[in-house]
Amino acid sequence: LAKTTQPISMDSYEGQEVNITCSHNNIATNDYITWYQQFPSQGPRFIIQGYKTKVTNEVASLFIPADRKSSTLSLPRVSLSDTAVYYCLVGDGPKWNAGNMLTFGGGTRLMVKP
Amino acid sequence: NAGVTQTPKFQVLKTGQSMTLQCAQDMNHEYMSWYRQDPGMGLRLIHYSVGAGITDQGEVPNGYNVSRSTTEDFPLRLLSAAPSQTSVYFCASSSEKFTGELFFGEGSRLTVL
Repeated sequence: LAKTTQPISMDSYEGQEVNITCSHNNIATNDYITWYQQFPSQGPRFIIQGYKTKVTNEVASLFIPADRKSSTLSLPRVSLSDTAVYYCLVGDGPKWNAGNMLTFGGGTRLMVKP
Repeated sequence: NAGVTQTPKFQVLKTGQSMTLQCAQDMNHEYMSWYRQDPGMGLRLIHYSVGAGITDQGEVPNGYNVSRSTTEDFPLRLLSAAPSQTSVYFCASSSEKFTGELFFGEGSRLTVL
């Protein structure tokens, strides 16, 4: 499973756009990039998944350059409730969670201030 | 929809005691897994299952046993609890059809004295 590197923590203010970048230099051809959000005392929650270019949903956007060695999670106009830990994961598609030693790593702790 | 249900939410054990953390999902998902999360750290995979009757070890399996007799249930057993097993445990399930999205339970906080 491709190893990922993310910033340990980030601070932002309400209403700002937040971009969290994840490096995955040894990503494999079949790997997808998935982001999760975790609030204190809760299990992680799926945010968004992509393979290449740009993916957007009601919560976030995911930007993946052509070489796919990094990806950026973009959260538009954050609020206090977006304070959480964000995890970047890389795995090979539908079967990636079926025993590929899924590794969440330490994630990025986002603190949104008023 | 219940999703993934874990019980108990909190448990205190003494060293050497045994217990079982229960996990049940009502989404007919093939894949189920157990993770532990230590303070300030990410999640580490303990055991996983790709279907009823099939289990395998994850990253940190020592001290834990699992079984998968039904699609719905995936209990995690601690046979002889140790203080190093003090952690928050999360159960997750997923279906291949959802391209890898994991659905997590709310967690079980275990303290071993």
